[in-house]
Amino acid sequence: KQEVTQIPAALSVPEGENLVLNCSFTDSAIYNLQWFRQDPGKGLTSLLLIQSSQREQTSGRLNASLDKSSGRSTLYIAASQPGDSATYLCAVETTDSWGKLQFGAGTQVVVTP
Amino acid sequence: EAQVTQNPRYLITVTGKKLTVTCSQNMNHEYMSWYRQDPGLGLRQIYYSMNVEVTDKGDVPEGYKVSRKEKRNFPLILESPSPNQTSLYFCASSTGASGYTFGSGTRLTVV
Repeated sequence: KQEVTQIPAALSVPEGENLVLNCSFTDSAIYNLQWFRQDPGKGLTSLLLIQSSQREQTSGRLNASLDKSSGRSTLYIAASQPGDSATYLCAVETTDSWGKLQFGAGTQVVVTP
Repeated sequence: EAQVTQNPRYLITVTGKKLTVTCSQNMNHEYMSWYRQDPGLGLRQIYYSMNVEVTDKGDVPEGYKVSRKEKRNFPLILESPSPNQTSLYFCASSTGASGYTFGSGTRLTVV
């Protein structure tokens, strides 16, 4: 069974610093890996999708990498802002479990002004 | 606007009173699914559907029912809700290759 782990569980940085969020997974036979953002009590907003054949995806200040052989993905957020404060979730869909996302527990990020 | 719409957003009900949470998507996605989110347990899948009339259990299906009679709709039915079903519920849809789009959530309280 796929297990997804996110480290650290919580992170506090001053505004302007770069953020590095880690996600590890046990089954390398992934189909997609998706990063989401969730504000308290709110829905999930998709940030980046990395398909199995891709090594990274970029959108604005966000960059996500994927290394299937080591079972890791990293989300980089450059020049953090207070508005980046949220919980970031990593989710994996494996090739033998289409239609099912396995989520990590998330990293709670606080960016202080 | 491409979106997944859930209703209601908030619901307080009593134990045993049947309820339905609706989910609709306007993106012609084949895949739809339901998740619940609980503190300390994270997001867990309840049921999913690969297409019309095709549904399967996720990790925590007990106490829930679903149906997929139309491609755009995937309602979640609680026939006899219990307090342990108090949770934040999310509906999601996908084509498979496009990644998942989530609804805004339904906060359910069963007293």
